[in-house]
Amino acid sequence: DQQVKQNSPSLSVQEGRISILNCDYTNSMFDYFLWYKKYPAEGPTFLISISSIKDKNEDGRFTVFLNKSAKHLSLHIVPSQPGDSAVYFCAASGATNKLIFGTGTLLAVQP
Amino acid sequence: EPEVTQTPSHQVTQMGQEVILRCVPISNHLYFYWYRQILGQKVEFLVSFYNNEISEKSEIFDDQFSVERPDGSNFTLKIRSTKLEDSAMYFCASREGPGLAGGNTDTQYFGPGTRLTVL
Repeated sequence: DQQVKQNSPSLSVQEGRISILNCDYTNSMFDYFLWYKKYPAEGPTFLISISSIKDKNEDGRFTVFLNKSAKHLSLHIVPSQPGDSAVYFCAASGATNKLIFGTGTLLAVQP
Repeated sequence: EPEVTQTPSHQVTQMGQEVILRCVPISNHLYFYWYRQILGQKVEFLVSFYNNEISEKSEIFDDQFSVERPDGSNFTLKIRSTKLEDSAMYFCASREGPGLAGGNTDTQYFGPGTRLTVL
Protein backbone atom coordinates (compact mmCIF):
# COMPACT_ATOMS: atom_id res chain seq x y z
CA ASP A 1 0.00 0.00 0.00
CA GLN A 2 1.98 2.96 -1.31
CA GLN A 3 -0.55 5.74 -0.90
CA VAL A 4 2.12 8.10 0.45
CA LYS A 5 5.60 8.06 -1.06
CA GLN A 6 8.84 9.75 -0.22
CA ASN A 7 11.11 8.87 -3.10
CA SER A 8 14.31 10.27 -1.63
CA PRO A 9 15.58 8.08 1.19
CA SER A 10 18.23 10.62 2.09
CA LEU A 11 19.24 14.24 1.55
CA SER A 12 22.42 16.08 2.47
CA VAL A 13 22.47 19.88 2.73
CA GLN A 14 24.98 22.46 3.89
CA GLU A 15 24.20 24.45 7.00
CA GLY A 16 22.44 27.71 6.11
CA ARG A 17 21.10 26.43 2.81
CA ILE A 18 17.56 25.36 2.00
CA SER A 19 16.40 21.79 2.54
CA ILE A 20 13.55 20.61 0.35
CA LEU A 21 11.86 17.33 1.21
CA ASN A 22 9.27 15.92 -1.14
CA CYS A 23 6.24 13.70 -0.76
CA ASP A 24 3.72 12.32 -3.24
CA TYR A 25 0.34 10.77 -2.59
CA THR A 26 -2.17 8.87 -4.66
CA ASN A 27 -5.43 9.08 -2.71
CA SER A 28 -7.42 12.17 -3.72
CA MET A 29 -9.59 11.77 -0.59
CA PHE A 30 -6.73 12.87 1.68
CA ASP A 31 -7.56 16.29 3.08
CA TYR A 32 -4.92 16.88 5.74
CA PHE A 33 -1.18 16.53 5.48
CA LEU A 34 1.49 16.63 8.13
CA TRP A 35 5.25 16.53 8.47
CA TYR A 36 6.88 14.83 11.41
CA LYS A 37 10.51 14.76 12.48
CA LYS A 38 11.87 11.61 14.08
CA TYR A 39 15.06 10.67 15.85
CA PRO A 40 16.04 7.02 16.35
CA ALA A 41 14.21 5.32 19.21
CA GLU A 42 11.92 8.32 19.69
CA GLY A 43 8.37 9.08 18.65
CA PRO A 44 7.47 11.28 15.68
CA THR A 45 7.48 14.96 16.59
CA PHE A 46 4.92 17.13 14.83
CA LEU A 47 6.42 19.91 12.73
CA ILE A 48 3.83 21.48 10.50
CA SER A 49 0.59 20.63 8.74
CA ILE A 50 -1.57 21.83 5.91
CA SER A 51 -5.21 21.43 5.04
CA SER A 52 -6.23 20.61 1.49
CA ILE A 53 -7.98 23.98 1.22
CA LYS A 54 -4.62 25.73 1.37
CA ASP A 55 -1.54 25.58 -0.80
CA LYS A 56 0.99 26.95 1.66
CA ASN A 57 1.55 27.06 5.38
CA GLU A 58 4.50 28.66 7.09
CA ASP A 59 5.85 28.37 10.62
CA GLY A 60 9.19 30.00 11.27
CA ARG A 61 11.87 28.24 9.24
CA PHE A 62 9.42 25.60 8.01
CA THR A 63 7.08 25.98 5.06
CA VAL A 64 4.88 23.30 3.57
CA PHE A 65 3.59 23.59 0.02
CA LEU A 66 0.70 21.55 -1.34
CA ASN A 67 0.02 21.00 -5.03
CA LYS A 68 -3.27 19.13 -5.15
CA SER A 69 -3.37 18.75 -8.91
CA ALA A 70 0.01 17.02 -8.82
CA LYS A 71 -0.78 15.24 -5.52
CA HIS A 72 2.52 16.53 -4.21
CA LEU A 73 3.67 18.29 -1.10
CA SER A 74 7.02 19.56 -0.02
CA LEU A 75 8.65 20.79 3.16
CA HIS A 76 11.12 23.65 2.94
CA ILE A 77 13.52 24.32 5.78
CA VAL A 78 15.45 27.56 5.52
CA PRO A 79 18.01 28.13 6.77
CA SER A 80 18.93 24.55 7.56
CA GLN A 81 20.70 23.90 10.86
CA PRO A 82 22.70 20.87 12.05
CA GLY A 83 19.99 20.23 14.67
CA ASP A 84 17.55 19.62 11.82
CA SER A 85 19.34 16.37 11.01
CA ALA A 86 16.75 13.61 11.49
CA VAL A 87 14.31 11.45 9.55
CA TYR A 88 11.35 13.41 8.18
CA PHE A 89 8.05 11.68 7.55
CA CYS A 90 5.13 13.04 5.63
CA ALA A 91 1.72 11.72 6.56
CA ALA A 92 -1.76 12.13 5.17
CA SER A 93 -5.25 11.59 6.50
CA GLY A 94 -8.78 11.65 5.22
CA ALA A 95 -12.21 11.38 6.75
CA THR A 96 -11.27 8.73 9.32
CA ASN A 97 -8.19 10.68 10.51
CA LYS A 98 -5.92 7.65 10.55
CA LEU A 99 -2.48 8.69 9.37
CA ILE A 100 -0.83 7.07 6.37
CA PHE A 101 2.91 7.62 6.55
CA GLY A 102 5.58 7.81 3.91
CA THR A 103 8.83 5.86 4.25
CA GLY A 104 10.78 8.86 5.47
CA THR A 105 13.74 10.92 4.26
CA LEU A 106 16.94 11.10 6.27
CA LEU A 107 18.13 14.69 6.28
CA ALA A 108 21.77 15.38 7.10
CA VAL A 109 22.73 19.02 7.56
CA GLN A 110 26.47 19.43 7.28
CA PRO A 111 28.13 22.16 9.37
CA GLU B 1 3.93 21.72 27.06
CA PRO B 2 1.57 18.73 27.40
CA GLU B 3 2.86 15.51 25.94
CA VAL B 4 1.91 11.90 25.39
CA THR B 5 3.76 9.49 27.65
CA GLN B 6 4.27 5.75 27.25
CA THR B 7 5.47 2.97 29.52
CA PRO B 8 7.53 0.91 29.50
CA SER B 9 10.14 2.29 27.13
CA HIS B 10 11.34 -1.23 26.38
CA GLN B 11 9.54 -4.54 26.90
CA VAL B 12 11.13 -7.93 26.32
CA THR B 13 8.84 -10.96 26.35
CA GLN B 14 8.75 -14.58 25.33
CA MET B 15 6.70 -15.69 22.36
CA GLY B 16 3.17 -16.60 23.45
CA GLN B 17 3.16 -14.29 26.45
CA GLU B 18 0.73 -11.43 26.96
CA VAL B 19 1.96 -7.86 27.05
CA ILE B 20 0.25 -4.61 27.93
CA LEU B 21 1.61 -1.36 26.61
CA ARG B 22 0.52 1.77 28.40
CA CYS B 23 -0.06 5.31 27.26
CA VAL B 24 -1.20 8.51 28.90
CA PRO B 25 -2.60 10.77 26.18
CA ILE B 26 -2.65 14.53 26.41
CA SER B 27 -5.38 15.51 28.83
CA ASN B 28 -8.52 16.89 27.17
CA HIS B 29 -7.71 14.97 23.98
CA LEU B 30 -10.59 12.79 22.88
CA TYR B 31 -9.17 10.61 20.10
CA PHE B 32 -6.53 7.98 20.69
CA TYR B 33 -4.43 5.88 18.35
CA TRP B 34 -1.86 3.12 18.27
CA TYR B 35 0.73 2.82 15.51
CA ARG B 36 3.73 0.58 15.13
CA GLN B 37 6.99 0.66 13.24
CA ILE B 38 8.82 -2.54 12.47
CA LEU B 39 12.55 -1.96 12.12
CA GLY B 40 13.34 -0.51 8.72
CA GLN B 41 9.70 -0.11 7.74
CA LYS B 42 7.23 2.74 7.76
CA VAL B 43 4.98 3.73 10.63
CA GLU B 44 1.70 1.80 10.32
CA PHE B 45 -1.73 2.53 11.74
CA LEU B 46 -3.15 -0.10 14.08
CA VAL B 47 -6.29 1.26 15.70
CA SER B 48 -8.21 4.39 16.58
CA PHE B 49 -10.38 4.83 19.65
CA TYR B 50 -13.03 7.37 20.54
CA ASN B 51 -15.81 7.54 23.09
CA ASN B 52 -14.75 4.21 24.64
CA GLU B 53 -14.92 2.22 21.47
CA ILE B 54 -12.81 1.35 18.47
CA SER B 55 -13.42 3.69 15.55
CA GLU B 56 -11.26 1.93 13.02
CA LYS B 57 -8.72 -0.87 12.96
CA SER B 58 -6.24 -2.10 10.42
CA GLU B 59 -5.77 -5.62 9.10
CA ILE B 60 -2.85 -5.97 11.50
CA PHE B 61 -5.16 -5.48 14.48
CA ASP B 62 -6.50 -9.02 14.72
CA ASP B 63 -8.11 -10.88 17.62
CA GLN B 64 -4.80 -10.99 19.48
CA PHE B 65 -4.93 -7.24 19.95
CA SER B 66 -7.21 -5.21 22.16
CA VAL B 67 -7.35 -1.66 23.44
CA GLU B 68 -8.86 -0.22 26.55
CA ARG B 69 -9.24 3.06 28.37
CA PRO B 70 -9.54 1.71 31.90
CA ASP B 71 -9.75 5.10 33.57
CA GLY B 72 -9.77 8.78 32.66
CA SER B 73 -6.10 8.96 31.83
CA ASN B 74 -4.65 5.67 30.59
CA PHE B 75 -4.98 4.07 27.17
CA THR B 76 -3.63 0.54 26.80
CA LEU B 77 -2.76 -1.87 24.02
CA LYS B 78 -2.82 -5.56 24.90
CA ILE B 79 -1.32 -8.32 22.80
CA ARG B 80 -2.68 -11.60 24.09
CA SER B 81 -0.20 -14.07 22.69
CA THR B 82 2.84 -12.38 21.23
CA LYS B 83 4.53 -13.58 18.06
CA LEU B 84 8.04 -12.95 16.83
CA GLU B 85 6.67 -10.63 14.15
CA ASP B 86 5.09 -8.41 16.79
CA SER B 87 8.56 -7.08 17.60
CA ALA B 88 8.40 -3.37 16.77
CA MET B 89 8.21 0.14 18.18
CA TYR B 90 4.67 0.87 19.29
CA PHE B 91 3.55 4.48 19.33
CA CYS B 92 0.53 5.95 21.01
CA ALA B 93 -0.95 9.18 19.68
CA SER B 94 -3.77 11.48 20.67
CA ARG B 95 -5.75 14.22 18.99
CA GLU B 96 -7.79 17.02 20.45
CA GLY B 97 -10.95 16.58 18.42
CA PRO B 98 -13.67 19.04 17.50
CA GLY B 99 -15.44 21.45 19.76
CA LEU B 100 -12.48 22.39 21.92
CA ALA B 101 -11.01 25.87 22.02
CA GLY B 102 -7.60 26.53 20.51
CA GLY B 103 -5.05 24.27 18.86
CA ASN B 104 -5.23 22.24 15.73
CA THR B 105 -7.83 19.56 16.31
CA ASP B 106 -6.68 17.35 13.44
CA THR B 107 -3.06 16.97 14.50
CA GLN B 108 -2.00 13.78 16.22
CA TYR B 109 0.73 14.02 18.83
CA PHE B 110 2.87 10.99 19.43
CA GLY B 111 4.45 9.49 22.50
CA PRO B 112 8.09 8.35 22.64
CA GLY B 113 7.17 4.74 21.93
CA THR B 114 7.63 1.33 23.51
CA ARG B 115 10.16 -1.00 21.95
CA LEU B 116 8.67 -4.50 22.10
CA THR B 117 11.06 -7.38 21.62
CA VAL B 118 9.56 -10.86 21.33
CA LEU B 119 12.03 -13.72 21.80
